Amino acid sequence: DTGVSQNPRHKITKRGQNVTFRCDPISEHNRLYWYRQTLGQGPEFLTYFQNEAQLEKSRLLSDRFSAERPKGSFSTLEIQRTEQGDSAMYLCASMNRASGNEQFFGPGTRLTVL
Amino acid sequence: GQNIDQPTEMTATEGAIVQINCTYQTSGFNGLFWYQQHAGEAPTFLSYNVLDGLEEKGRFSSFLSRSKGYSYLLLKELQMKDSASYLCAVRVFQAGTALIFGKGTTLSVSS
Repeated sequence: DTGVSQNPRHKITKRGQNVTFRCDPISEHNRLYWYRQTLGQGPEFLTYFQNEAQLEKSRLLSDRFSAERPKGSFSTLEIQRTEQGDSAMYLCASMNRASGNEQFFGPGTRLTVL
Repeated sequence: GQNIDQPTEMTATEGAIVQINCTYQTSGFNGLFWYQQHAGEAPTFLSYNVLDGLEEKGRFSSFLSRSKGYSYLLLKELQMKDSASYLCAVRVFQAGTALIFGKGTTLSVSS
């Protein structure tokens, strides 16, 4: 257990529905990342927050995806009008300068879109 | 663009030594990382290299050559629990502090 938690751990939804995932980083970590991982692939970067500011967004992040970190603590990732291609593991990671260069990953939320 | 290559699969036996190679082509290199990921679990940090040379940490060592765009992870005295996916990742200035991962190398250790 790295100290990063994610909820839910599993989500099954029908195509076209909206889903929201939550990430609670290690409390003193000001940097938070979202990645997506499909089977047989490495994680792909989606977006990055420093405190409450969203500083980076990947081109992979379509308009249907939105992420927030309103108080600089937990973060949410919402996917609107889900598609089957959105099925993946969504990983959250956090870090700060004191943790050195290591990003601590949460256990992930596995999304299945039927 | 950014490109990271590593072998898809490797096999080894308990007690042996295995070397997992990673080559990368990126602009604005700012560090190379190795992560271990057991099936269904989150990646866990193994090592970080930003300067050329070897970093040793217990049974695991990581090497970097920036001029060759090359790194390897060396695992000694293999144990069954080392069966996992090993992910090579680079950090580039243009991506802030986010990591760009390779596809991972699945290592199977047999007795």
